[in-house]
Amino acid sequence: SAVISQKPSRDICQRGTSLTIQCQVDSQVTMMFWYRQQPGQSLTLIATANQGSEATYESGFVIDKFPISRPNLTFSTLTVSNMSPEDSSIYLCSSIAGGETQYFGPGTRLLVL
Amino acid sequence: GNSVTQMEGPVTLSEEAFLTINCTYTATGYPSLFWYVQYPGEGLQLLLKATKADDKGSNKGFEATYRKETTSFHLEKGSVQVSDSAVYFCALSDRDSSYKLIFGSGTRLLVRP
Repeated sequence: SAVISQKPSRDICQRGTSLTIQCQVDSQVTMMFWYRQQPGQSLTLIATANQGSEATYESGFVIDKFPISRPNLTFSTLTVSNMSPEDSSIYLCSSIAGGETQYFGPGTRLLVL
Repeated sequence: GNSVTQMEGPVTLSEEAFLTINCTYTATGYPSLFWYVQYPGEGLQLLLKATKADDKGSNKGFEATYRKETTSFHLEKGSVQVSDSAVYFCALSDRDSSYKLIFGSGTRLLVRP
């Protein structure tokens, strides 16, 4: 299984600012995903990060709010733009190396004041 | 569309008790089924998986059997430990949905000594 790291692990931000979260995988992977976990809730898929092209967003999520980059097969970023307290969540990236099993990073805990 | 339903938590057990967490699913195709575990303050870890009907996934004393006839994937453990206290998520994915994970709501397990 791939080992996934995320930076930062946690942050406290002011409303109206933006935060970029980095996701690094220790091997080349075919697919990368970004999920949001709101407090006490389950995980919701934000988007699939496509290498070399625009991300594919799920219903309710838009590129202007959550721009995503994936410049190569081991790295992706998620930006949370123009933050409000409702964006306070854990943001997790995951990857599929082969087959269909997703492995997750440790998450980024974001608090927006 | 695909969906996953889990039993409501929290589930509180004494150490060495038997654990069952119910999970049922709705899917149009032939999904793979997963149990993930989230320990306090951590990301998601894959606990076990099953990719076709009648498969049994097992890990760390936990088991779940893919039952197509009842569309279920219940998680069981014969004797829980305090260290098993965590949130457990049932999830499914399939090729037709580009392997996106659909999660249940999560079940919090608290094991008391």
